[in-house]
Amino acid sequence: DGGITQSPKYLFRKEGQNVTLSCEQNLNHDAMYWYRQDPGQGLRLIYYSQIVNDFQKGDIAEGYSVSREKKESFPLTVTSAQKNPTAFYLCASSQGQGAHEQYFGPGTRLTVT
Amino acid sequence: AQSVTQPDIHITVSEGASLELRCNYSYGATPYLFWYVQSPGQGLQLLLKYFSGDTLVQGIKGFEAEFKRSQSSFNLRKPSVHWSDAAEYFCAVYDMRFGAGTRLTVKP
Repeated sequence: DGGITQSPKYLFRKEGQNVTLSCEQNLNHDAMYWYRQDPGQGLRLIYYSQIVNDFQKGDIAEGYSVSREKKESFPLTVTSAQKNPTAFYLCASSQGQGAHEQYFGPGTRLTVT
Repeated sequence: AQSVTQPDIHITVSEGASLELRCNYSYGATPYLFWYVQSPGQGLQLLLKYFSGDTLVQGIKGFEAEFKRSQSSFNLRKPSVHWSDAAEYFCAVYDMRFGAGTRLTVKP
């Protein structure tokens, strides 16, 4: 089945540690996205990538980093510089930007203590 | 800048009653508009989308939405709500700008 996978579902880390969230898609989509979801704030865009080896910052990129070495993969690293990393993280993909619906993964809930 | 506003944070309706979730957008031209649904702890699923043409669009699960340019709105409707519709609903403009969401509770 085609879709987006995110792993793990739940992730726990100590403050000061970097952590990488996985996102893989087999939909052959060019564009991929990372969102952060906090209660009452909807989805906020962290980073997006329209093509391999290229990505752009979203609205809340500080404290995060990404790479796009393969079309299928778009991992997100939450660095120790992110002041409030505990959140629900959603990865999505689409055929392209603008007029295309996004397909979402099941999300990763990150808890940092 | 593009923006999306969902004025209602939480709505409660009785099962079988009609539903309307509000969405207002801010954009100079006709935007691409989407409605997504999210069950607790899950990703989002597309309900419907509007790009151009007929301003009343039909989606999955019996939902529909109407684009009104004069009001900059794209409200989601369903004539008869089922208990399984309880979820959070997000309006989005283009593919990266989401509203804050409206949580729907369905009373038996």
